[in-house]
Amino acid sequence: AQSVTQLDSHVSVSEGTPVLLRCNYSSSYSPSLFWYVQHPNKGLQLLLKYTSAATLVKGINGFEAEFKKSETSFHLTKPSAHMSDAAEYFCVSAGGYNKLIFGAGTRLAVHP
Amino acid sequence: EAGVAQSPRYKIIEKRQSVAFWCNPISGHATLYWYQQILGQGPKLLIQFQNNGVVDDSQLPKDRFSAERLKGVDSTLKIQPAKLEDSAVYLCASSLARDSLFSGELFFGEGSRLTVL
Repeated sequence: AQSVTQLDSHVSVSEGTPVLLRCNYSSSYSPSLFWYVQHPNKGLQLLLKYTSAATLVKGINGFEAEFKKSETSFHLTKPSAHMSDAAEYFCVSAGGYNKLIFGAGTRLAVHP
Repeated sequence: EAGVAQSPRYKIIEKRQSVAFWCNPISGHATLYWYQQILGQGPKLLIQFQNNGVVDDSQLPKDRFSAERLKGVDSTLKIQPAKLEDSAVYLCASSLARDSLFSGELFFGEGSRLTVL
């Protein structure tokens, strides 16, 4: 069965410092993986996606994620946090039966 | 391009009452999804439509939840009777076609927040 596990429910960083949001996946075959972002009272938005092409994937707003099969990980990073990055981030897996499976989410707080 | 529209944005009801949510997807999007997002959890798929046919409703509590998508465009999600544990945000999403799910690009509405007292 497919699943994703987000290792941190809350992450707090200072503005201008790096961001790391961790995600591990479980899949019996090569998965398609995504990161979605949800700002307060806004709809979910696709940040980036991995679909078995390049293992380093670049997304919007300076975010990127690296697919590591040996570690079954798909961590989201950004070199320098901005106040506007404060939001909930979801690691998502897609695959058989056309389902999107969401992780529990990581709430990112950015302090001045 | 207009996004996915949902209404109402907020609804407060007492348990055992009924409620209905409406969704208008992006024009031309064949696939429509309803997700339930309970506070502190990730969204959970309730039902998926391809045009006006149901693709997946395996996690829809059919004793109290129902959904329809007439004419393959708008959709309504109904809960009757509501329970306390139905308090959640109900998200509607759409995508161009079924196989576009593998691209992962769903377009979400802002959600309908339900509070059951």
